[in-house]
Amino acid sequence: AQSVAQPEDQVNVAEGNPLTVKCTYSVSGNPYLFWYVQYPNRGLQFLLKYITGDNLVKGSYGFEAEFNKSQTSFHLKKPSALVSDSALYFCAVRVYGNKLVFGAGTILRVKS
Amino acid sequence: DTGVSQDPRHKITKRGQNVTFRCDPISEHNRLYWYRQTLGQGPEFLTYFQNEAQLEKSRLLSDRFSAERPKGSFSTLEIQRTEQGDSAMYLCASSPPWGQGNTGELFFGEGSRLTVL
Repeated sequence: AQSVAQPEDQVNVAEGNPLTVKCTYSVSGNPYLFWYVQYPNRGLQFLLKYITGDNLVKGSYGFEAEFNKSQTSFHLKKPSALVSDSALYFCAVRVYGNKLVFGAGTILRVKS
Repeated sequence: DTGVSQDPRHKITKRGQNVTFRCDPISEHNRLYWYRQTLGQGPEFLTYFQNEAQLEKSRLLSDRFSAERPKGSFSTLEIQRTEQGDSAMYLCASSPPWGQGNTGELFFGEGSRLTVL
């Protein structure tokens, strides 16, 4: 089955430090991978995507993600975390029918 | 472009009652999706439409659930005889036709939170 896994329920980081939120995927064929962010009682906001091309993709709010085919990973990164980045982050993969399958999510807490 | 709109944002109901949620997608988007998200979980696919045709339904969508998109624009999701296990956030998303700027991402609304007492 095509899926994504987010191995960390929660990531804690100090403001100003770099952050990484991990995601691994399992798909047949070339993956279309996505990151979304969700604030409390809100919908999902699109951050970035990998379709093809450069393995390092840049997205909204200073986030970027690195696609690694050999490790089947698509980790979300940011060089300097902000308190306002604290939220729930979801990795997703596109499957047949243009549906997205989501991971369980990772809570990011940035402390000042 | 006003984004994906969902109504109501919150609904509290008693077990056994019927509820209906509405979703208005981005106007030029022909695909519309419903997802369900329970606390601490990622969104789970329920069903999706291309124009007015319902192309796929998840096995999560029991007989008590029905979704429609009669004119290929807005959609409704009805839950009959609600149960406490139906308490969740119901998310609607849309996407443009493939080949018209569609590279796979879905555009989500703010969700409709259902609480069944």
